Amino acid sequence: QQQVKQSPQSLIVQKGGISIINCAYENTAFDYFPWYQQFPGKGPALLIAIRPDVSEKKEGRFTISFNKSAKQFSLHIMDSQPGDSATYFCAAVTGYSTLTFGKGTMLLVSP
Amino acid sequence: NAGVTQTPKFRVLKTGQSMTLLCAQDMNHEYMYWYRQDPGMGLRLIHYSVGEGTTAKGEVPDGYNVSRLKKQNFLLGLESAAPSQTSVYFCASSQARPGHPPYEQYFGPGTRLTVT
Repeated sequence: QQQVKQSPQSLIVQKGGISIINCAYENTAFDYFPWYQQFPGKGPALLIAIRPDVSEKKEGRFTISFNKSAKQFSLHIMDSQPGDSATYFCAAVTGYSTLTFGKGTMLLVSP
Repeated sequence: NAGVTQTPKFRVLKTGQSMTLLCAQDMNHEYMYWYRQDPGMGLRLIHYSVGEGTTAKGEVPDGYNVSRLKKQNFLLGLESAAPSQTSVYFCASSQARPGHPPYEQYFGPGTRLTVT
């Protein structure tokens, strides 16, 4: 049973555009929602994270929007750059349990 | 600090062979994890450990065994490799303290394993 559904699978955005990746979850006990960024040939690395008591969190060009009632959260990358080309994973976790990852979105930012 | 390191980086095995993947972390983290990554499947948890001497099964544990004899090391073993175990394997670690769950995981660079 997939508890975190991520879309789209792949995304092509022009340089300077906005990249949007969406995730939906089922378990209302989740209390932490991180996004991981993975460059080719590297391990994933934490990019940004949010807790359900906050509707939005912004770090530089990266913003998480969180909709608790809809059980959805999304990553927005403003002014997308070729260096943002990577695979992005959303995830969710509750307490001391293990992370549940989405299946990933491969982002390509064209020059 | 080296963070999380994995050995080896690449390996080719024949069906039925065995091998051990080594993960080491120098951050004194309590929790350690083994994932496999396959195209379109995301990251799937194989086994994890919440402390030295403890291990637990994840989402896809069949065909793998693990050991955590030292806090800084987490070993993943394949007793009899199968082509279905061709994948990229990632180790991760995280810190946990009372009142502070192990939310942030630090990943190693991965091991690319091919089973022919």
